Amino acid sequence: QSALTQPRSVSGSPGQSVTISCPGTSSDIGDYVSWYQQRPGKAPELMIYDVSKRPSGVPDRFSGSKSANTASLTISGLQAEDEADYYCCLYAGSSEWVFGGGTKLTVL
Amino acid sequence: QVQLVEAGGGVVQPGTSLRLSCTISGFTFSRYPMHWVRQAPGKGLEWVTVISFDGFNTYYADSAKGRFTISRDNSKNTLYLQMNSLKTEDTAVYYCARDISARLLPQGYFDLWGRGTLVTVSS
Repeated sequence: QSALTQPRSVSGSPGQSVTISCPGTSSDIGDYVSWYQQRPGKAPELMIYDVSKRPSGVPDRFSGSKSANTASLTISGLQAEDEADYYCCLYAGSSEWVFGGGTKLTVL
Repeated sequence: QVQLVEAGGGVVQPGTSLRLSCTISGFTFSRYPMHWVRQAPGKGLEWVTVISFDGFNTYYADSAKGRFTISRDNSKNTLYLQMNSLKTEDTAVYYCARDISARLLPQGYFDLWGRGTLVTVSS
């Protein structure tokens, strides 16, 4: 499975909102969508699962959604600490998973 | 305190083998499916393999099939990754990660991660 095509980079100013897209490889992206935040030199952290659910401790500024074959992560009220790489992950079938190529978020 | 601690990484030559381990503490290891995810230097994440909570079922990415073997010892709270016939493209940080689903089929949601161990395959 090839990495999913995420935008390489997005940027926004503090307080603004940004959306990162994750296109699937079929007409329906399915319901097994998750998003991860990875700060430099750190392990990834689960931010969203089941398309739109947030694990305990993740701020509600982070939200997930999907439309047909594209999943999206929206970060509202951008803060400097949100600057990181973000990865989507989809179920590829047959108990296999595929990550997106990653999107670097810059907070201006 | 929940901890996942990988070990066993290092510098090896192409064609050789290496076994990684991931020692778990702070939760009931035997209840959860476990994954290995890797990240080549400067690159994105790549899912590698998963093992069911009881160790009976394993699945692999195409890049790992036939060369890598995931296993676990629930009595030792330890996850393993045996890597054979290593290639230069296997160079990466290898993370162990817990699946969110306790005693269910893995859902591919990685809610706990170790810090990773670096494997460098080079001649």
